[in-house]
Amino acid sequence: DQQVKQNSPSLSVQEGRISILNCDYTNSMFDYFLWYKKYPAEGPTFLISISSIKDKNEDGRFTVFLNKSAKHLSLHIVPSQPGDSAVYFCAASGRTGANNLFFGTGTRLTVIP
Amino acid sequence: DVKVTQSSRYLVKRTGEKVFLECVQDMDHENMFWYRQDPGLGLRLIYFSYDVKMKEKGDIPEGYSVSREKKERFSLILESASTNQTSMYLCASSPGGGLVNTEAFFGQGTRLTVV
Repeated sequence: DQQVKQNSPSLSVQEGRISILNCDYTNSMFDYFLWYKKYPAEGPTFLISISSIKDKNEDGRFTVFLNKSAKHLSLHIVPSQPGDSAVYFCAASGRTGANNLFFGTGTRLTVIP
Repeated sequence: DVKVTQSSRYLVKRTGEKVFLECVQDMDHENMFWYRQDPGLGLRLIYFSYDVKMKEKGDIPEGYSVSREKKERFSLILESASTNQTSMYLCASSPGGGLVNTEAFFGQGTRLTVV
């Protein structure tokens, strides 16, 4: 059963506009959330994270918002650039096992020049 | 910088072969993971290890085994490769040792094709 869900398989955005990627989770024990970016034929690279004690974390053009009551998080990229075109994975972890990360199915972002 | 290195970028194996995928990390991390990535399914955890010689099953361990004889090395073994194991395999590591809320660092991936 998928505990982390990304319901949009793909998203296209014009260069310079905002990209909003969404993620939902079901397990209320998750307390740490991450976004990874993946290019084809490469491993995922960490982008940004947020702890459950916060509702927003910002790093340059990237901002992650967490709504715990709705079990929802989103990644905002502004302004979007063509180099942002990649697959974005949402992940979550709780204090179990080896802090395993549970991943969503990914959203392919295409930024159109 | 943390480096996680997977021994092969691309592999082609025959059905029934025993396949070894090797992963090495250089940051003295305690936790190591093997995932596979398939279109529409995201990253699914096969096995993980939180210490030398320790291993735990993930969500899809069937048809796989692992070995962790040294802290820096985590091997994934396909006992008898089948075509449904054609996939991108990703190794990752994270600090562990009581540290929580840390990201995992991934290798570059191994694209395995079983024919």
